Amino acid sequence: QVQLQESGPGLVKPSETLSLTCTVSGGSISSYYWSWIRQPAGKGLEWIGRIYTSGSTNYNPSLKSRVTMSVDTSKNQFSLKLSSVTAADTAVYYCARLVDWFDPWGQGTLVTVSS
Amino acid sequence: QSALTQPRSVSGSPGQSVTISCTGTSSDVGGYNYVSWYQQHPGKAPKLMIYDVSKRPSGVPDRFSGSKSGNTASLTISGLQAEDEADYYCCSYAGSYVVFGGGTKLTVL
Repeated sequence: QVQLQESGPGLVKPSETLSLTCTVSGGSISSYYWSWIRQPAGKGLEWIGRIYTSGSTNYNPSLKSRVTMSVDTSKNQFSLKLSSVTAADTAVYYCARLVDWFDPWGQGTLVTVSS
Repeated sequence: QSALTQPRSVSGSPGQSVTISCTGTSSDVGGYNYVSWYQQHPGKAPKLMIYDVSKRPSGVPDRFSGSKSGNTASLTISGLQAEDEADYYCCSYAGSYVVFGGGTKLTVL
């Protein structure tokens, strides 16, 4: 079955750019939407955005100015870049496949923004 | 794009039923039959429990059911079990966007 795995630095300095990659295994990345979702400690889920395998994107309006998503179908990966991070961006970041529901999900990766 | 409204907490005794509501607008919950529900245990990734308002993925017990009326969706868990204690999140498609509810903590007494 399809499995997702997030990877990237666990610590990012304020004002720098957070970069994460999600690797899809057990199936092709093609012909689906793929999403990033985050969850600050003790808080709820926040949708960050989605990307189709053609490269078409939609972002959460509250983050749109700082978010860039990309896809590499040759590597079965998609990526997230979040610029100008602050402590408020500290969260567990999940990647997930999006139909009109999210499934499956990656296990999540904690990214801490701190100097 | 505002978060969907869920009660912060609900509780029930083993064997009882509980219902968690999820209120949105005509631009999200009311406008599409694309409501999904997720169960999240501490330290774990969310797990899909209901999709397309009322459909259950393979492996999800039939004790879990979903419905929708107007701008409000609901998740009902019948025959509560201890392992149902978790956080539950609703989610709705909203055109080119997706919006989550704030989450509901279910306590099994």
